[in-house]
Amino acid sequence: AQSVTQLGSHVSVSEGALVLLRCNYSSSVPPYLFWYVQYPNQGLQLLLKYTSAATLVKGINGFEAEFKKSETSFHLTKPSAHMRDAAEYFCAVRSYNNNDMRFGAGTRLTVKP
Amino acid sequence: GAGVSQSPRYKVAKRGQDVALRCDPISGHVSLFWYQQALGQGPEFLTYFQNEAQLDKSGLPSDRFFAERPEGSVSTLKIQRTQQEDSAVYLCASSLGQDVSYEQYFGPGTRLTVT
Repeated sequence: AQSVTQLGSHVSVSEGALVLLRCNYSSSVPPYLFWYVQYPNQGLQLLLKYTSAATLVKGINGFEAEFKKSETSFHLTKPSAHMRDAAEYFCAVRSYNNNDMRFGAGTRLTVKP
Repeated sequence: GAGVSQSPRYKVAKRGQDVALRCDPISGHVSLFWYQQALGQGPEFLTYFQNEAQLDKSGLPSDRFFAERPEGSVSTLKIQRTQQEDSAVYLCASSLGQDVSYEQYFGPGTRLTVT
């Protein structure tokens, strides 16, 4: 069975500050991990994914995430927040032999001017 | 190019009514997924198609939920005798293939409210 847990349903940062959104996973097989962003009234957009290559993954819009097997974590970071980063962020896990992608409950990021 | 589109964007149904939700995937995408997203939650997998074949329907919550993709392109998710607990956003996603390396592209969703 696979699952992800996102710590913190709401995160608020000031513009220009570091963004850190936490995700821990549970998987009995090597996982593939994803971060998606969802803007209001829009579908999910893939930010980045880990598929067993480099453990530090760079994505779009300046985001990156590091896969840490020892900590079962895949936290999302961005050095400097922009107002346009305000959205809902979802971490997800999937195995190579499974169609079922499991999403976390999401973290709403607010960026203060 | 066009992305995944879904219609209607909003649907209000009275309890007990049947509803049909449509998904138009990206042209040429073999794989199509349906998800249910309850308020304040992440999406939950419902079912998966490869072309016209429904290969996985393990996430469908009850036999009131039915999905089809008869010509391997457009898909319809049908919910019979809707209940209040069916209120959610229904997301459709498509990808070039089933393999996990292929990105899933999501539509904007259909928000279903059952009154």
